[in-house]
Amino acid sequence: EAGVAQSPRYKIIEKRQSVAFWCNPISGHATLYWYQQILGQGPKLLIQFQNNGVVDDSQLPKDRFSAERLKGVDSTLKIQPAKLEDSAVYLCASSLPDGALGTDTQYFGPGTRLTVL
Amino acid sequence: RKEVEQDPGPFNVPEGATVAFNCTYSNSASQSFFWYRQDCRKEPKLLMSVYSSGNEDGRFTAQLNRASQYISLLIRDSKLSDSATYLCVVNSGTYKYIFGTGTRLKVLA
Repeated sequence: EAGVAQSPRYKIIEKRQSVAFWCNPISGHATLYWYQQILGQGPKLLIQFQNNGVVDDSQLPKDRFSAERLKGVDSTLKIQPAKLEDSAVYLCASSLPDGALGTDTQYFGPGTRLTVL
Repeated sequence: RKEVEQDPGPFNVPEGATVAFNCTYSNSASQSFFWYRQDCRKEPKLLMSVYSSGNEDGRFTAQLNRASQYISLLIRDSKLSDSATYLCVVNSGTYKYIFGTGTRLKVLA
C-alpha cells in the first residue's frame, strides 16, 4: 500500500515570497492533517480536513497560510508571504478513521523542509 | 499546564539497559494514545497505540494510567538502533491529536 506522498521535499525561499506544498494521502483515508514541526519541538496541528471540509483550523495563521482539499483527496498548503519564523518541516498525515478501534492511527508523509532566508 | 507533557531528555543509556519515559496529559476525556518514533530528519512513525490499559510489542511496553493521566513507554534490552526521539500523542476527541515535544533517547555502545 502506498504511503502519504508529499512534494517538494525541500524548499528554500526569500522572506515575503510565496510557497505551496502538496500532499496525497493514503487511498481511502478521509482525514488529512497538516502539521508544522519546528526544530526541537513536536508537530503542531495547522489544519485538519474531514473529506473536503475543514474540521479544525484554529492554529492556522490565516493572514498568511491557506489550505484546501478539493475533491476530498489531495491537499495543498500555501504560505503567502513567508516569514523567517515559518522555517520548519511541514508534515502531512492521514487517517481513516471509520469509528472502529485502531482506525484512528495517523500515517505521516516524509515532510517538506522549508527554509526562509 | 501543557495539554501533553514529556521530559525532553536526553536519556543516555548503555546498550542492554531498560529505560522508561512518561507522558502526562491534561484532558481526562482523551480516548486513545500513541507513541511515535522519530529519527533525525525523518517523519514520525507509529511505534504503539494504546486504547485500554496497555500494550506490548516485543521489547516495548506501553501502559496507560487514566487515574493519574499519564502513559509510559518501557524499552527493555536497549539497542543502538533505538536511539531516536519518542513522541507521545493524545487523541483528545474528534480525532484531534496533541503531540508532546518528544523525549530524546541515545543508546550508547
